[in-house]
Amino acid sequence: QSVLTQPPSVSGAPGQRVTISCTGSSSNIGAGYDVHWYQQLPGTAPKLLIYGSSNRPSGVPDRFSGSKSGTSASLAITGLQAEDEAYYYCQAYDSSLSVLFGGGTKLTVL
Amino acid sequence: QLQLQESGPGLVKPSETLSLTCTVSGGSISSSSYYWGWIRQPPGKGLEWIGSIYYSGSTYYNPSLKSRVTISVDTSKNQFSLKLSSVTAADTAVHYCARHRTSRLTAIDYWGQGTLVTVSS
Repeated sequence: QSVLTQPPSVSGAPGQRVTISCTGSSSNIGAGYDVHWYQQLPGTAPKLLIYGSSNRPSGVPDRFSGSKSGTSASLAITGLQAEDEAYYYCQAYDSSLSVLFGGGTKLTVL
Repeated sequence: QLQLQESGPGLVKPSETLSLTCTVSGGSISSSSYYWGWIRQPPGKGLEWIGSIYYSGSTYYNPSLKSRVTISVDTSKNQFSLKLSSVTAADTAVHYCARHRTSRLTAIDYWGQGTLVTVSS
């Protein structure tokens, strides 16, 4: 069981906005460590979407945004597109000197 | 453009040691700017961090795997390697090598394509 908790699935219609939550604890997100988000399409390696809780790497559309508050973080996707259907993972550093991943969330575009 | 490529046996017997190497091209593993890591993903499941290494040899390991994991670096070959001992079927997974985007255990900006290692007799 992951220490970072994500909903197993979310869904939305094309054009809508969806959010994916990532809940941690006082030893990771709540300790002030940044949260990072990845998109994984079937059969491919994860791709960095958001780093430092709210920063987008070059090439990532501004439809993707991240935020953090307390012991939780969120990934928001606006203007949902069919190509956004994928698994999404959050990641954070933990005070136990380790890297944590959330369990992953499957986004379905209806 | 930085590229990472995993290599190693795709099949390992139970109780034996899984060994993989990651070859980095398009950049130097000796850069003081990055950590390099291994992440695995069992079929149909989520991502699990195995451990990470700095060019100097400094390592961090997942506490749940620490007793069985060794990650090493060979700067002369621009490679880093993973060894996981006493494997069981639960260690069957796609293994990715990757680069943290800074000299801390932060976001991962480059990933290898991944290699499936199956543990079976």
